[in-house]
Amino acid sequence: KQEVTQIPAALSVPEGENLVLNCSFTDSAIYNLQWFRQDPGKGLTSLLLIQSSQREQTSGRLNASLDKSSGRSTLYIAASQPGDSATYLCAASNTGGFKTIFGAGTRLFVKA
Amino acid sequence: NAGVTQTPKFQVLKTGQSMTLQCAQDMNHNSMYWYRQDPGMGLRLIYYSASEGTTDKGEVPNGYNVSRLNKREFSLRLESAAPSQTSVYFCASIKDFGGYGYTFGSGTRLTVV
Repeated sequence: KQEVTQIPAALSVPEGENLVLNCSFTDSAIYNLQWFRQDPGKGLTSLLLIQSSQREQTSGRLNASLDKSSGRSTLYIAASQPGDSATYLCAASNTGGFKTIFGAGTRLFVKA
Repeated sequence: NAGVTQTPKFQVLKTGQSMTLQCAQDMNHNSMYWYRQDPGMGLRLIYYSASEGTTDKGEVPNGYNVSRLNKREFSLRLESAAPSQTSVYFCASIKDFGGYGYTFGSGTRLTVV
């Protein structure tokens, strides 16, 4: 059974710092891995999706990597801004099914 | 604006009452999902509909029923609400499983007293 873990649960950094959020999964037979952002009281917004055949995806200041052999994905945020403050969730979708397993998220606070 | 629309946004129910959460998408997506989000537990899949006319159980289906009314609409029904069903419920859709990302609604915050 797939399990997705995100550590740390919360992170506070000063503005301008580069940071890495971690996501680990137990079953390496994933179809894709997706990173989401969730603002308080809101739904989830898709940030990046990495297919199992890919190693990384980039969008602006965000870069997500995928290492299936180690069961890890990281989300790199460059030059963090207060507007980046939100909860970031990763989700792994397994081959052959429609089920996606979500991590509990990392709550990020970027101080001005 | 195109997207996933959920109603209502907030609801308070008494134990034993029933209600239906509505979800509609206008992106011509094939698959639709219902998740619940509880503090510290991430999102858990309740039911999904891979395509119009089909529905399947997810991780936590007990106490819920769903209906895929047509390609656009996917409703979630609580027949006899329990305090354990207090949660935030999200509907999501995806064009086809695998190659595309999910689009989420803004959620329904349900409290059962």
